[in-house]
Amino acid sequence: GENVEQHPSTLSVQEGDSAVIKCTYSDSASNYFPWYKQELGKGPQLIIDIRSNVGEKKDQRIAVTLNKTAKHFSLHITETQPEDSAVYFCAAIGGNEKLTFGTGTRLTIIP
Amino acid sequence: DTGVSQNPRHKITKRGQNVTFRCDPISEHNRLYWYRQTLGQGPEFLTYFQNEAQLEKSRLLSDRFSAERPKGSFSTLEIQRTEQGDSAMYLCASSERLSRWIEQFFGPGTRLTVL
Repeated sequence: GENVEQHPSTLSVQEGDSAVIKCTYSDSASNYFPWYKQELGKGPQLIIDIRSNVGEKKDQRIAVTLNKTAKHFSLHITETQPEDSAVYFCAAIGGNEKLTFGTGTRLTIIP
Repeated sequence: DTGVSQNPRHKITKRGQNVTFRCDPISEHNRLYWYRQTLGQGPEFLTYFQNEAQLEKSRLLSDRFSAERPKGSFSTLEIQRTEQGDSAMYLCASSERLSRWIEQFFGPGTRLTVL
């Protein structure tokens, strides 16, 4: 089955700086890669996704890149704000049509 | 509110008791998923439904767990004879299967504590 690895597990950045989270996946059949933000006591919230037919997608301060050859994808958050502090999960859907999640990155924005 | 809803939000029970959780998906979504999330980990897939049909169950879903989705609308997840290891956040998600892309939207979860 699919295996998704995520790094780093914790990340602290100064407010206004950029944050980058990286993930790798194992199943070459995976074709959809969402990113979720989870705040304490809440369910994961879909913030951006990328499909295997594109290499990059941007939505305001958030961007995601995908390298299918290397089987890795990354989340980039620019001009970070205190409300960006949360746990971020990458995930992948492969041939089995099930989401497999990474282990999460706890992002802390330092005011 | 047109998002995924789950009830109850919190459940504390004693070991050996049965518990049941409910999930109401986004109304036009025909797929419904159950995940389990333990502290510090990402959600892990348990099972999913396409309309009322349960299509797949994870090996994580022991015989004590059962899920239903009558009439393809809401779903229930029952855990019989709860054990302390069942303590976790149980998450429900729904999606509308369009072509190859399956965006899943999560509810707030039900946090289960087994004493």
